[in-house]
Parts: sequence; structure tokens; C-alpha cells
Amino acid sequence: GEDVEQSLFLSVREGDSSVINCTYTDSSSTYLYWYKQEPGAGLQLLTYIFSNMDMKQDQRLTVLLNKKDKHLSLRIADTQTGDSAIYFCAESGSGNTGKLIFGQGTTLQVKP
Amino acid sequence: EPEVTQTPSHQVTQMGQEVILRCVPISNHLYFYWYRQILGQKVEFLVSFYNNEISEKSEIFDDQFSVERPDGSNFTLKIRSTKLEDSAMYFCASSAGYQETQYFGPGTRLLVL
Repeated sequence: GEDVEQSLFLSVREGDSSVINCTYTDSSSTYLYWYKQEPGAGLQLLTYIFSNMDMKQDQRLTVLLNKKDKHLSLRIADTQTGDSAIYFCAESGSGNTGKLIFGQGTTLQVKP
Repeated sequence: EPEVTQTPSHQVTQMGQEVILRCVPISNHLYFYWYRQILGQKVEFLVSFYNNEISEKSEIFDDQFSVERPDGSNFTLKIRSTKLEDSAMYFCASSAGYQETQYFGPGTRLLVL
């Protein structure tokens, strides 16, 4: 079935790069997404990548997609304390209904 | 910038009571969704809605749940007889197309006692 897995926790120092990893199972996914959730808040779309792309860069964010290994990563350059949040990887599920399948979220802790 | 809004932000109810969670999707969007997140767990898909009907629902979305778009702006999730395990954050989302980006509301935190 469809499943998305992420590591649960990552701690980095301010100014370092953060890399959050995700694996997924549905090879038919058209899009893969990264959402950010700050404490008590909703899900904020950070970035997304088409499944026919290998990489997408958006300011401090770099998304890498390895379709063969079904592996997605999010790199945050020059990580700031304001980047502390939970980061969710999501894939568009099979079918044409738009359903998103989420990972369990990676908590990023940025230490000053 | 247009955004999805949800009301109420918090709701406390007694087990067995009916609750209605409300959402106002982005105005030109055509696809609407409900997800839920039990504390500490994954965000789970509940239902997608297009053209005034359900296009897909998960196993969680049983007969106790229903969705409605009563007018041109609101999208509601009704839980007929709440259970303790329905306690969760419920997120509404909308998109312009089924392959388009989904924008999420801030969520309604439901607590069933």
C-alpha cells in the first residue's frame, strides 16, 4: 500500500545545513511535497517537486528526488532558529482524487 | 493572499454528541479535502470532494462522518456521534485541480470527553 516514512528528529546548530529525508512507496506519485508545521499551527506548503525532476532549488531550500530509490530529501541551507518546526513529506496518492499521503513528520530543532 | 479558514479553532464535546467543523476554501478552488492528525501521529486523509460529491474516502471515514458544501463558500465535516478516538486536529484543504497544490487551513482541534 501507499506509505511514507521519515526519521522523527533532527537537531542542528544555527547556520548549519539541515537535511531531512523521506522514503515513499507509490512510484506513480506525480508530485512530492514538503510541508512545515509550527507549534499549534496548520500545515504550510514549503515546496514541491514534479516526479520527473531530480532537483528543485528555492532560495535556502533544495529538494532532491531519487525516483529509483523512492527517496526524497529537503536541504535547508543556513538553518535559522525560526526554521524549528515539524516537516512533513507527502506524496500524491494513486488515483485522480488528489489525496495526499503524509509521513509522520520530522521535528527539526535548531540550537543557537 | 487567499487562504483557507476554519472554524472553530477549538471544540470540546461530550462523547455521543454531533459536531460540525466548518471550512471556507479558497474561492476559485474546486477540490476540497479533510484530513486529521491525532496527537503525535501522521496526518491522515479522510475524504476528498469534487463537483458536489465525494471522490474518495478513507477507511476512517465511516458512516459517522459526512461532508457537505451547503452553499458556494462553506465546506463542512459532520461527525454524527463522536467517540473518544475522534479527538484530533482536523484540517481542511482545497486545491484548484486534483494535481494542483493543496492549501491547508489552520485546523480545528476537537476534544471528545
